[in-house]
Amino acid sequence: QKEVEQDPGPLSVPEGAIVSLNCTYSNSAFQYFMWYRQYSRKGPELLMYTYSSGNKEDGRFTAQVDKSSKYISLFIRDSQPSDSATYLCAMSYQTGANNLFFGTGTRLTVIP
Amino acid sequence: DVKVTQSSRYLVKRTGEKVFLECVQDMDHENMFWYRQDPGLGLRLIYFSYDVKMKEKGDIPEGYSVSREKKERFSLILESASTNQTSMYLCASSPFDRGEEAFFGQGTRLTVV
Repeated sequence: QKEVEQDPGPLSVPEGAIVSLNCTYSNSAFQYFMWYRQYSRKGPELLMYTYSSGNKEDGRFTAQVDKSSKYISLFIRDSQPSDSATYLCAMSYQTGANNLFFGTGTRLTVIP
Repeated sequence: DVKVTQSSRYLVKRTGEKVFLECVQDMDHENMFWYRQDPGLGLRLIYFSYDVKMKEKGDIPEGYSVSREKKERFSLILESASTNQTSMYLCASSPFDRGEEAFFGQGTRLTVV
């Protein structure tokens, strides 16, 4: 069993839709939870970063962590064509950790 | 604007060749990483370095070596390239105490024929 599971999609939504992207994990020791966005033929870029459980909001993006269920989500409101990318979740045990555990990524297309 | 720069976007090499992938960061980060990214497998860590001349094996170090002679530069070496090393290679860096805030380069798409 992989440590981090992520539905690869692909996911297609109309512009303006609310998008929900999810990851599950098996190791309860994970404390730090990240979402990276990767445009085609580019490297990933850090989008959101959350410590432990709870919600974090940044503009149209909300990251949610439920440690009891070992489940994290990224919500995108009012999705735009520019949001079309692959979204990778990542986790680590502690800050300063030298290894991140990545999901395989979900490819999202927002149709104008 | 912070940057991690990889020397090549695309490379085509022959089986058995020695291949060098170079990565430079301008953020004075202590940590540097090499990952490979394959469809359905996600990002897998090959090697990382937390200081000059220091290196640690990641999850898939076989067939690879690394070099870090200067803080800003981290090189990945394929000693004898094989077709199963055809992949996207991603370099990243992060501050020593914030390993979760990794900055990635553009990636090098390596094809071994």
